[in-house]
Amino acid sequence: TQLLEQSPQFLSIQEGENLTVYCNSSSVFSSLQWYRQEPGEGPVLLVTVVTGGEVKKLKRLTFQFGDARKDSSLHITAAQPGDTGLYLCAETSGTYKYIFGTGTRLKVLA
Amino acid sequence: KAGVTQTPRYLIKTRGQQVTLSCSPISGHRSVSWYQQTPGQGLQFLFEYFSETQRNKGNFPGRFSGRQFSNSRSEMNVSTLELGDSALYLCASNGDAGVALINNEQFFGPGTRLTVL
Repeated sequence: TQLLEQSPQFLSIQEGENLTVYCNSSSVFSSLQWYRQEPGEGPVLLVTVVTGGEVKKLKRLTFQFGDARKDSSLHITAAQPGDTGLYLCAETSGTYKYIFGTGTRLKVLA
Repeated sequence: KAGVTQTPRYLIKTRGQQVTLSCSPISGHRSVSWYQQTPGQGLQFLFEYFSETQRNKGNFPGRFSGRQFSNSRSEMNVSTLELGDSALYLCASNGDAGVALINNEQFFGPGTRLTVL
């Protein structure tokens, strides 16, 4: 069974700080997605990465896919309170299901 | 375009009862997935349906079942509820055209919060 480990599990930072969260797998990813979930809502897709070494940017968020496609990172520059939420990585096994990571709960203090 | 809707939003049941949750996907989407989210286990895949056929299922006991109707609406049922079934149940709709889900985007509903007493 493929496992997706995310670290850190919890993160509390001040507004304006930078942070990085990680997603690691015991196997090679087919593709990887990052989601953010806010309280009372379902996860919302932020990005999909497919190619090893790929880097994608979404405003202050930078997503990187490891060369070997077994790890990924999400870097947030100058975090804002609106970035608060649960960040989840997810891998599509290619057989009609997604495997989600353990999650990183981020709190950005004003 | 309306998003994914789930009903009810909140539900309280007692052990031994059964429950049925409903999910209406985005119009035109034929793939619906169900997930269970708990603080301890995170977000875990239950099953996925496409055009009324279950294509994959996760590692849950047979008490968890689902179905999909011809209009793509889906229901999941949990029989003989246990305390550990308390969770947020999320439904996701996918515009999958019938091939593997790689690169496809899932759109999640707000979930049904089930509490088992």
